[in-house]
Amino acid sequence: SQQGEEDPQALSIQEGENATMNCSYKTSINNLQWYRQNSGRGLVHLILIRSNEREKHSGRLRVTLDTSKKSSSLLITASRAADTASYFCALSAGGTSYGKLTFGQGTILTVHP
Amino acid sequence: NAGVTQTPKFQVLKTGQSMTLQCAQDMNHEYMSWYRQDPGMGLRLIHYSVGAGITDQGEVPNGYNVSRSTTEDFPLRLLSAAPSQTSVYFCASRRNSQNSPLHFGNGTRLTVT
Repeated sequence: SQQGEEDPQALSIQEGENATMNCSYKTSINNLQWYRQNSGRGLVHLILIRSNEREKHSGRLRVTLDTSKKSSSLLITASRAADTASYFCALSAGGTSYGKLTFGQGTILTVHP
Repeated sequence: NAGVTQTPKFQVLKTGQSMTLQCAQDMNHEYMSWYRQDPGMGLRLIHYSVGAGITDQGEVPNGYNVSRSTTEDFPLRLLSAAPSQTSVYFCASRRNSQNSPLHFGNGTRLTVT
């Protein structure tokens, strides 16, 4: 099954800076989702972008999707120390897959106060 | 609503022992799934269910059994634990729409010695 590949694997920034994480994939998708995981906790859904959408916003989050390049990016603006977490992209292949999600390996974001 | 509840939070087993990881959700979600999370591997789908009485295999099903007798519960059984099953296990649920986000429990950390 296909899996998103995330880049970078780790990102360290100062509070107030923007953080950008990228996800690339190889086959067609129905939608792409981003999740956050704080240490020792379950994943929390951040945003879902459908294959026919190019950009979505939610608060300080901006997600783009380029289906021609098979890539997505997650931008967190004006980062805070509380944004420190792992971020995962997840792909929904659609069709007869019942929307099963396959997850990338994640980007570890550290925001220094 | 409690969301997705997993028990136990921690478990240590000896090789060959069996146990059941419990998962319950109170959101009336049709779709439920089990993932395991290992360092450097992201989350991998073990089994999933699209409704009571219906289960199917994910990416890494060997060594695990599931059943879905009610909408609320989706237990994961390890029949004969192996050290390779040492991992963090997450249960997740959503509505049966492919554009619905997954809701995760807080995980069960399993160690097999």
